[in-house]
Amino acid sequence: EAAVTQSPRSKVAVTGGKVTLSCHQTNNHDYMYWYRQDTGHGLRLIHYSYVADSTEKGDIPDGYKASRPSQENFSLILELASLSQTAVYFCASRDNSGNTLYFGEGSRLIVV
Amino acid sequence: GDSVTQTEGPVTVSESESLIINCTYSATSIAYPNLFWYVRYPGEGLQLLLKVITAGQKGSSRGFEATYNKETTSFHLQKASVQESDSAVYYCALGDGSNNRIFFGDGTQLVVKP
Repeated sequence: EAAVTQSPRSKVAVTGGKVTLSCHQTNNHDYMYWYRQDTGHGLRLIHYSYVADSTEKGDIPDGYKASRPSQENFSLILELASLSQTAVYFCASRDNSGNTLYFGEGSRLIVV
Repeated sequence: GDSVTQTEGPVTVSESESLIINCTYSATSIAYPNLFWYVRYPGEGLQLLLKVITAGQKGSSRGFEATYNKETTSFHLQKASVQESDSAVYYCALGDGSNNRIFFGDGTQLVVKP
């Protein structure tokens, strides 16, 4: 069974603070993604990675960094959290045949 | 640009009625789009419902169907008779040929009344 787990599931952060969202997959997938979802809207791609130690910018990378230290782990880093980054963040891995995304449960971030 | 537009929710239907959730896409930089429907049931994570990678083909799952229409750039989701357990949020998505980038619609909440 494909599995993507995210931590923390929920977090309250202060403006200007550093936030790290972690994602771990046991699918043996090469590709991993970080998406952001704002209430009432779809998912927007922040960063993705297709191999360890390499990351690529998505559609809305500003204010975010990503780290892929191993095939299994992919982190999203907010160095200076801002109010506008309040959202739900989803991590996903993509099966190596190219078609299906497997999502984590999401991490709800509130910046105050 | 590349984008997806789908029926704005919530959509409310009664059990055993038919359903259609519209999805149209724009794929200006994608030569061979792949199309997907994902679903989030209450309390669960987002998961794939069905996918079609070839224009003209139909995908189906759990009684839902969607046909990839390249001429109308559409991928509407249909079901002949919905059940209360179909209540969920449905997302249409567009992928490039390699699916490095997948674009999601805003989601359509479906509420099925008993």
